Amino acid sequence: DGGITQSPKYLFRKEGQNVTLSCEQNLNHDAMYWYRQDPGQGLRLIYYSQIVNDFQKGDIAEGYSVSREKKESFPLTVTSAQKNPTAFYLCASSIGGLAGSDTQYFGPGTRLTVL
Amino acid sequence: GQQVMQIPQYQHVQEGEDFTTYCNSSTTLSNIQWYKQRPGGHPVFLIQLVKSGEVKKQKRLTFQFGEAKKNSSLHITATQTTDVGTYFCAGRNAGGTSYGKLTFGQGTILTVHP
Repeated sequence: DGGITQSPKYLFRKEGQNVTLSCEQNLNHDAMYWYRQDPGQGLRLIYYSQIVNDFQKGDIAEGYSVSREKKESFPLTVTSAQKNPTAFYLCASSIGGLAGSDTQYFGPGTRLTVL
Repeated sequence: GQQVMQIPQYQHVQEGEDFTTYCNSSTTLSNIQWYKQRPGGHPVFLIQLVKSGEVKKQKRLTFQFGEAKKNSSLHITATQTTDVGTYFCAGRNAGGTSYGKLTFGQGTILTVHP
């Protein structure tokens, strides 16, 4: 059953702690993305990766870090430097590549609450 | 940088009424996509428009891409309660170097009263 998964669905952390959000896809997509969703602000791009071992900052990368060691995995770390980390985090993937489609397939999301 | 503005932010309709959301980009787009997010869910791809002036239909949904490829609209005829959700447009800059990087509008939250 192909798809994109994120875990956990809900995550609670204390202020000052780093936390890593998981994103896995078995769609054989080259490109992967992390978005943050806040009420009334739509989806804002944090980081994206067009190929393994490469990634670029999006519009709001400060306080976040990523890695892309495997094609199917693109974990996001929310560091203590992120001033307002409580949000809904969405991971997405697309076929990518020069001839690929940029239609994005989203995971179910992780709702992070920092106490 | 590229900005994509979407209006209205909220729309409340009675079941059976029509609904339209509009999307405007500060730059020319190579394509525009529309997504729907049900309450508590994640965005799901609806359609992609590529050509200037393109119009596509999916049952009661009509999508348009402007002649200048800087604006788009989604129109729903005779809304149903199943249409409830947030509708997002997302555009890719025609002059962009980052393939696949989309800029999303803020979304329009649609509620339908039975």
